Amino acid sequence: DAGVTQSPTHLIKTRGQQVTLRCSPKSGHDTVSWYQQALGQGPQFIFQYYEEEERQRGNFPDRFSGHQFPNYSSELNVNALLLGDSALYLCASSHRGYNSPLHFGNGTRLTVT
Amino acid sequence: EDQVTQSPEALRLQEGESSSLNCSYTVSGLRGLFWYRQDPGKGPEFLFTLYSAGEEKEKERLKATLTKKESFLHITAPKPEDSATYLCAASGGSYIPTFGRGTSLIVHP
Repeated sequence: DAGVTQSPTHLIKTRGQQVTLRCSPKSGHDTVSWYQQALGQGPQFIFQYYEEEERQRGNFPDRFSGHQFPNYSSELNVNALLLGDSALYLCASSHRGYNSPLHFGNGTRLTVT
Repeated sequence: EDQVTQSPEALRLQEGESSSLNCSYTVSGLRGLFWYRQDPGKGPEFLFTLYSAGEEKEKERLKATLTKKESFLHITAPKPEDSATYLCAASGGSYIPTFGRGTSLIVHP
């Protein structure tokens, strides 16, 4: 039973560029959440998708956007990259979302130079 | 605003030396308190969910407990393979977990 898979595992981009990160949820899960984890910090909530709609959003600017597809997979897009966007981006899936434990992928390490 | 504070930031133990990690939380209407383990370069791995004060959960050498203001993760007779960062998260009315910064545990053989 495949868990949460994310791609790519590592990515290096230049300031001002745009990036797309991808996530496939655990089998049987329909809700996808995205988190940003800076070095030495806990994960910070970006947004959550359910039934192809953004259900909730954290304190992140509009440069961060997402999408969920009918097969429940999801993308995170970040425009106009800043140096401060360098972090580990974690995707987590859950069943129905409300209070179910999150199952995380191993993340995408984004470095902005 | 929901807040979660973990202490200590780092903990070094000798193999077999039991200890506890603390997670203090401030959320409006606790819906769940979660513990995760995170190994370097990996995503967090789910350990426990606690829902109400007085609840306890156990898994191997780990035991999580919950009060109205904090949760503890007790580690009994730890082994080097227990070395990791332990994250606590609490969800309130929004059902979105807010994470603490974690406790980095190193267990020396």
